[in-house]
Amino acid sequence: NAGVTQTPKFQVLKTGQSMTLQCAQDMNHEYMSWYRQDPGMGLRLIHYSVGAGITDQGEVPNGYNVSRSTTEDFPLRLLSAAPSQTSVYFCASSRGTGRETQYFGPGTRLLVL
Amino acid sequence: AQRVTQPEKLLSVFKGAPVELKCNYSYSGSPELFWYVQYSRQRLQLLLRHISRESIKGFTADLNKGETSFHLKKPFAQEEDSAMYYCALGPNNNAGNMLTFGGGTRLMVKP
Repeated sequence: NAGVTQTPKFQVLKTGQSMTLQCAQDMNHEYMSWYRQDPGMGLRLIHYSVGAGITDQGEVPNGYNVSRSTTEDFPLRLLSAAPSQTSVYFCASSRGTGRETQYFGPGTRLLVL
Repeated sequence: AQRVTQPEKLLSVFKGAPVELKCNYSYSGSPELFWYVQYSRQRLQLLLRHISRESIKGFTADLNKGETSFHLKKPFAQEEDSAMYYCALGPNNNAGNMLTFGGGTRLMVKP
C-alpha cells in the first residue's frame, strides 16, 4: 500500500494563479482532510470530507475549494493564490472520525510570490 | 472552543537527560488526545494516544483532567528523538474529522 500520496511535492505560484493539490489514499478510508502547517501555529484544518460527495469547512477554509467524487481522491483547489497561502499542505485520511488515528501524506510545499 | 497549547517552541536537552514536552488543552466533554511526531524529511505520524496507554519508543503521556494537561515524557532522551512534536485533540462529537493541533515543540537532543 502506498498509503496517502500527494502531488506535487513543491510548487511556486504567482499571486492570482490557481492550482490543484492532489491527494489520494489506497486504504479505503472514509475520512479525509486537508491541513496547512505554518511555523508556530501547528496544523490548521482547511476542509474535510466524511465520505464521497460530502465535504465541510474547517478552521481556515477561505480561498480553498474541495470536492470528493471518489473515496480515494480529495483534491484541494486554490482559486486565486495569495502570498498568505504560502505554507506546507498536508492531506490526511482515517477510517473513522477525527478521534481515530490520522494517516498523513508527505506534504506539498507551496510558495506564492 | 477546543484549544491546544504547547508553551515551548523549542526544547533542547542532552542525550540521556529526561524530557518533558508540555501540552495543555481546553475542551468540554471527554477528551481524546494524541501526540504526533514529524522526524526530519518524514511525514507526520502518530506517536501515541491516551486511550491506548502504551509506551512508544520509551515515551509516555498521562492525561490529567484536573490540570487539563497531556505532557509527553521520556526518562532518557536519545539523539534519534530529535523531531517536531505536536499535541492534538480529537473532535468533541463523532462527526467530522477535526483534529485540533497545538503549535508544536521542536525537540533537539544534543550528543
